[in-house]
Amino acid sequence: GAGVSQTPSNKVTEKGKYVELRCDPISGHTALYWYRQSLGQGPEFLIYFQGTGAADDSGLPNDRFFAVRPEGSVSTLKIQRTERGDSAMYLCASSQGDTQYFGPGTRLTVL
Amino acid sequence: KNEVEQSPQNLTAQEGEFITINCSYSVGISALHWLQQHPGGGIVSLFMLSSGKKKHGRLIATINIQEKHSSLHITASHPRDSAVYICAVRLSGSARQLTFGSGTQLTVLP
Repeated sequence: GAGVSQTPSNKVTEKGKYVELRCDPISGHTALYWYRQSLGQGPEFLIYFQGTGAADDSGLPNDRFFAVRPEGSVSTLKIQRTERGDSAMYLCASSQGDTQYFGPGTRLTVL
Repeated sequence: KNEVEQSPQNLTAQEGEFITINCSYSVGISALHWLQQHPGGGIVSLFMLSSGKKKHGRLIATINIQEKHSSLHITASHPRDSAVYICAVRLSGSARQLTFGSGTQLTVLP
């Protein structure tokens, strides 16, 4: 079956612009996670959804970052007024139990 | 100090060698995961452990809860095992998200 998909695979933007990153989880998975991975580092937690609601958003670095999951399936991570430090791989994962299934990630580059 | 520490950061081995990657954590956990990440970003879950030992093919993962330590072993390593191996923990309590180590870059030479 289809795994977790993320679009776009690569996004290049200019400092100050707004970006949206999309995650399509595995069908039926109620839990969805966003992580951010800088080069040479392990992923860092951003936000976790259980169904439509954000169960834990303690990893969002500041109020420029926001995520939604309005119908409990697809999620969008939104970054306002992007900064060069936002450049990273953004990973999405979904689960219906203890094992998280990861998407291929979106590589965001802020020039 | 990171909550999850991995060693070594980089490891180069010859094909056929036995490989060990270590993970130590400083917090209470409900489970520990070993993940594999290939170039380009895709992450695959290898094991989830809460106690003891698990084996899948040439991969073996062990955990010692008292010592807060886990190891991932690869027997008869092969160049296709080259990847980043990441240890991640699920903290005790209600947290569902994972806390990751910084990964171990493994290169197996033919």
